[in-house]
Amino acid sequence: EPEVTQTPSHQVTQMGQEVILRCVPISNHLYFYWYRQILGQKVEFLVSFYNNEISEKSEIFDDQFSVERPDGSNFTLKIRSTKLEDSAMYFCASSEGTVAETQYFGPGTRLLVL
Amino acid sequence: AQRVTQPEKLLSVFKGAPVELKCNYSYSGSPELFWYVQYSRQRLQLLLRHISRESIKGFTADLNKGETSFHLKKPFAQEEDSAMYYCALQTGANNLFFGTGTRLTVIP
Repeated sequence: EPEVTQTPSHQVTQMGQEVILRCVPISNHLYFYWYRQILGQKVEFLVSFYNNEISEKSEIFDDQFSVERPDGSNFTLKIRSTKLEDSAMYFCASSEGTVAETQYFGPGTRLLVL
Repeated sequence: AQRVTQPEKLLSVFKGAPVELKCNYSYSGSPELFWYVQYSRQRLQLLLRHISRESIKGFTADLNKGETSFHLKKPFAQEEDSAMYYCALQTGANNLFFGTGTRLTVIP
């Protein structure tokens, strides 16, 4: 069964550094998402992406964040200048459609900002 | 603004006992509701969605618009049901809004 994959599984970075989190969505899916979960807190929506542009973004997704689909398979989340509070588990997800469609999640990337 | 409330952070039941995981929501539009589950060391995965009206692994959930609830139920809990359960609301756009989750432990 096809799955969403994410790399790396863990990343440690210094405050102020740029990080790129990578995701490979399920191949026939058209909608892509990033969520994050700060330790002990709930999963929070960051951004959704369709047809090579952002569909929706949350208040968390400020100018420090960007997303890109650089080729036909990868979907990336870039954090330009990381802050301590960016430390979290970042989940990528994909779906075939939108309303009431199942979103399939990747295993997550645990980001630690020191 | 939308809100999903899961009042219990932790829930323990004995094997074979009924289990109910509570979820209440607040949303002005027509809600699409889901239950996602995360087993130990595994990824978040869909358990069921209200639109399907299906039973998955013995679990059911009924959308009660009057009480704005979407409680998850199973008549006889199994040890393999131990996991983290998240109720999620999909708003008019396609993002999911999650509750804080309930960790279910089924005691043998």
